[in-house]
Amino acid sequence: SHELTQPPSVSVSPGQTASITCSGDKLGDKYASWYQQKPGQSPVQVIYQDTKRPSGIPKRFSGSSSGNTATLTISGTQAMDEADYYCQSWDSSAVTFGGGTKLTVL
Amino acid sequence: EVQLVESGGGLVQPGRSLRLSCVASGFTFDDYAMHWVRQAPGKGLEWVSGISWNSANMGYAGSVKGRFTISRDNAKSSLYLQMNSLRGEDTALYYCAKEGGRSFNYYGMDVWGHGTTVTVSS
Repeated sequence: SHELTQPPSVSVSPGQTASITCSGDKLGDKYASWYQQKPGQSPVQVIYQDTKRPSGIPKRFSGSSSGNTATLTISGTQAMDEADYYCQSWDSSAVTFGGGTKLTVL
Repeated sequence: EVQLVESGGGLVQPGRSLRLSCVASGFTFDDYAMHWVRQAPGKGLEWVSGISWNSANMGYAGSVKGRFTISRDNAKSSLYLQMNSLRGEDTALYYCAKEGGRSFNYYGMDVWGHGTTVTVSS
């Protein structure tokens, strides 16, 4: 199966830039999406097709992809951005999520 | 307002069956693929199954293949998940999610419901 690897946790100071990576051996051939999930809430898509931002998502959220790694970047991180973040992609008609990264804003 | 409302969850004994439903509103249901995604307590997201806009293509996670069946009724703007031979490890919050396009592997999931809880226990 297609596996996606994320760091379990990332910490960032308010106003700084947070980067969360997602790696997979077939990720370079496919698009990635990113989701934000706050405690007790449903996930929200923040990036799709590697770099595109859905309507309503703040500009501080951006995505990139190079080789077999996709990256979610949050510029000027705010306290409200503290959440779990999941990457997602697909292969052979199966969708895969990364294990998730807990972003802590210290 | 775009909305997905799941129902059908509950407490069920191992080996029994359950059918989840998801009713969509606020968008043209038959223009989009749909997914079921689950989240076990304290765990991450796990894709369960997806279905294309016209039901021509379906996919399943290896953990549910052969036990779960996804289907949709475009006339009723509804998505279903028939779950058979349930196991303790199927215990989770089950989300219905809308794909951004007609195929279930291109745009990702842009709308999510609040989920329905399935507990498998004797």
